[in-house]
Amino acid sequence: NAGVMQNPRHLVRRRGQEARLRCSPMKGHSHVYWYRQLPEEGLKFMVYLQKENIIDESGMPKERFSAEFPKEGPSILRIQQVVRGDSAAYFCASSPPEGTNEKLFFGSGTQLSVL
Amino acid sequence: DQQVKQNSPSLSVQEGRISILNCDYTNSMFDYFLWYKKYPAEGPTFLISISSIKDKNEDGRFTVFLNKSAKHLSLHIVPSQPGDSAVYFCAASVVVTGANNLFFGTGTRLTVIP
Repeated sequence: NAGVMQNPRHLVRRRGQEARLRCSPMKGHSHVYWYRQLPEEGLKFMVYLQKENIIDESGMPKERFSAEFPKEGPSILRIQQVVRGDSAAYFCASSPPEGTNEKLFFGSGTQLSVL
Repeated sequence: DQQVKQNSPSLSVQEGRISILNCDYTNSMFDYFLWYKKYPAEGPTFLISISSIKDKNEDGRFTVFLNKSAKHLSLHIVPSQPGDSAVYFCAASVVVTGANNLFFGTGTRLTVIP
């Protein structure tokens, strides 16, 4: 899938623990998006970041969830004090500057399971 | 609130026949529509798109039809091949850029039987 790297592929956490999901965008891509797919649902937008800036976090739950895209290193989606309802597939996507949605490339996702 | 709906969770088609995947949307402001294909253990990949100024867009075996008055679009695959077996997501946005404004359907799992 065009070089967007997500890790880990699978993450198991117990209720109350923290989950950290990582995403390295394609080379040359400066826009990163995080999506969540709950069981039986479509992908839902969570947050849009550019280097060191959160552009749109309108899809993020107000509590426990945060995201960053530092100057160096991957984008991180952090979920504190996880609950069973956080179990889902989390997809990261990246696009070049001024890219259309046809230029959106997805990673393989991180499947988070909360016990 | 599911603004983009794919009411058929699954579809099975014989190899060589036509596959028709359907998608409905509720927001009349949507101006741009895309189909993504997803294999197991992979992320979605872009397949084909259409803007609201058109009613048809064709790319090889794949054709997308848009009926704005019915708020309905469909993806036709002909002839279907076993490698087309995947989950297909319909997506819609108000503008052509900005994946933060992209709304996805729940997906249709297509199985092409050899």
